Amino acid sequence: AQTVTQSQPEMSVQEAETVTLSCTYDTSENNYYLFWYKQPPSRQMILVIRQEAYKQQNATENRFSVNFQKAAKSFSLKISDSQLGDTAMYFCATSPGGYQKVTFGTGTKLQVIP
Amino acid sequence: DAGVIQSPRHEVTEMGQEVTLRCKPISGHDYLFWYRQTMMRGLELLIYFNNNVPIDDSGMPEDRFSAKMPNASFSTLKIQPSEPRDSAVYFCASSFRAGTEAFFGQGTRLTVV
Repeated sequence: AQTVTQSQPEMSVQEAETVTLSCTYDTSENNYYLFWYKQPPSRQMILVIRQEAYKQQNATENRFSVNFQKAAKSFSLKISDSQLGDTAMYFCATSPGGYQKVTFGTGTKLQVIP
Repeated sequence: DAGVIQSPRHEVTEMGQEVTLRCKPISGHDYLFWYRQTMMRGLELLIYFNNNVPIDDSGMPEDRFSAKMPNASFSTLKIQPSEPRDSAVYFCASSFRAGTEAFFGQGTRLTVV
């Protein structure tokens, strides 16, 4: 079984500043994947970034990067140079490597303040 | 590709009525998922298919819910009879293979009155 915990229900950040969203997970799998999804007010779920657990290097996607601490089962998302369009719900998720069953956290609502 | 297409976008129905939600996955994707999103429970995986075959339906709340995937390009989620507590946003998603990104549809907001 997999579980994902996001302990920050809401966060805010000033435009152009940096913010970090926390996520911890638990899984019995040796091989698994981790994801951050964004859900803006339009309701569309959009993949932000993806990490393969067997890769030690942290994934980066433009202004978005992760801090993957495998031993601690931690997978935080850092957003640099925050923009108004980053205002959304952010969901951390994990799935096992061998089959596709994605488990989502409860989400963090991020507000970017002008 | 137009992405994952769900219909309808909004559905309002009376308690006891049958509701059918529809989904067209992205062509070539082998996996299809149905999720339910509520404020109280977040995003819950209801069921997923691989190559049109149901793999895990442990998230289906009760027998009133059923899902089918008659072919690679179409899936339905049916609720019969519907109840007010079924009110939620239902998402369909598809992915190419295990470990890859799941592409979500726009969701169907279901309101049961």
